Amino acid sequence: NAGVTQTPKFQVLKTGQSMTLQCAQDMNHNSMYWYRQDPGMGLRLIYYSASEGTTDKGEVPNGYNVSRLNKREFSLRLESAAPSQTSVYFCASSGGRSSYNEQFFGPGTRLTVL
Amino acid sequence: GEDVEQSLFLSVREGDSSVINCTYTDSSSTYLYWYKQEPGAGLQLLTYIFSNMDMKQDQRLTVLLNKKDKHLSLRIADTQTGDSAIYFCAERIDDKIIFGKGTRLHILP
Repeated sequence: NAGVTQTPKFQVLKTGQSMTLQCAQDMNHNSMYWYRQDPGMGLRLIYYSASEGTTDKGEVPNGYNVSRLNKREFSLRLESAAPSQTSVYFCASSGGRSSYNEQFFGPGTRLTVL
Repeated sequence: GEDVEQSLFLSVREGDSSVINCTYTDSSSTYLYWYKQEPGAGLQLLTYIFSNMDMKQDQRLTVLLNKKDKHLSLRIADTQTGDSAIYFCAERIDDKIIFGKGTRLHILP
């Protein structure tokens, strides 16, 4: 079990470039999430997907789009990157057998937009 | 509304107890969590408490929940250098988990 995997680990973009962050989980979880983490701001939810085929906006969705490609994969796209999107991005999943619905996190993608 | 507040920094001497406090605003929370983040890594669940409990103990960790005041605390007994990390308080509301900003725990020799 790899858990939650994210690619790439690091990325540098120029303003206006686009890119897609990939996330996959092998735990058969229904729910998947994208967060960004900024110093002093904690984790902020960008988008989430409660089940395959559904996506919903979180706290900070502007400038991002998501695709729940199948049950395993949930990608985050930046169409036109801006310096304000410099951050560490975490993907997470939940929905296993535990009653307390723990979220499992990937290792993060460190994105810098110049 | 949904908001989770916690102090940003805590310094504790090695061997002492650490107490990290958190307040939340949504009384419909079902579960409350403490996550730990070590440098350069994602978050890992440390412990959790169901909203109808008031205390949970797990080895060196004690979680106290005061539902009336919407206050959650995490006590780490005999704090060790390996406990140095950022600790996030979080509450579950429906499908979402709302995280606090995190408390950075610094261990003094």
